[in-house]
Amino acid sequence: AQSVTQLDSHVSVSEGTPVLLRCNYSSSYSPSLFWYVQHPNKGLQLLLKYTSAATLVKGINGFEAEFKKSETSFHLTKPSAHMSDAAEYFCVVSDLDNNNDMRFGAGTRLTVKP
Amino acid sequence: NAGVMQNPRHLVRRRGQEARLRCSPMKGHSHVYWYRQLPEEGLKFMVYLQKENIIDESGMPKERFSAEFPKEGPSILRIQQVVRGDSAAYFCASSLKSGVSGNTIYFGEGSWLTVV
Repeated sequence: AQSVTQLDSHVSVSEGTPVLLRCNYSSSYSPSLFWYVQHPNKGLQLLLKYTSAATLVKGINGFEAEFKKSETSFHLTKPSAHMSDAAEYFCVVSDLDNNNDMRFGAGTRLTVKP
Repeated sequence: NAGVMQNPRHLVRRRGQEARLRCSPMKGHSHVYWYRQLPEEGLKFMVYLQKENIIDESGMPKERFSAEFPKEGPSILRIQQVVRGDSAAYFCASSLKSGVSGNTIYFGEGSWLTVV
């Protein structure tokens, strides 16, 4: 069975400072990993995905994530936070050989202070 | 190319009524997924459907909930005799195909059900 743990339920940063949202996964297979962002009362938007190609993945809005198999981690980072980054972020693991079974983390709420 | 369309966006039901949530996948997508997001919780998988078939309903409550994806028309998530605990955001997603590494799932904007 696969699962994903987002280590922080809430992260608060100041505008212009780095962002780190942590995610650890568990999977019996070679997983695909995703980060989605959800703004209030909105659907989920794909930020980036890892699919066994390059371990450092670049996404939209300046976000990137690094797949570290030895640490079973897929942390999301951004060098400089913007006010518009305030949202809920979900780390997702998918075993795509098993009927597209995607498992979501509980989410991390990012607050950006001026 | 329109994205995943869900309606209604907001639905209010009294306890005991039925709620029907509709989802039209992206054009060309034949795989549909339903997720539920309870207040202060993450998203939980409910059901995975292909046209006319339920592939995985391991996340569906055993009673009152059902889903279908007919040959023609949108996918429907149906909740009978709603209770207050059913109040949540319900998200539909679709994908092009299954079993392909990196296959991206696209989400709709969600339907917010409030049971009063």
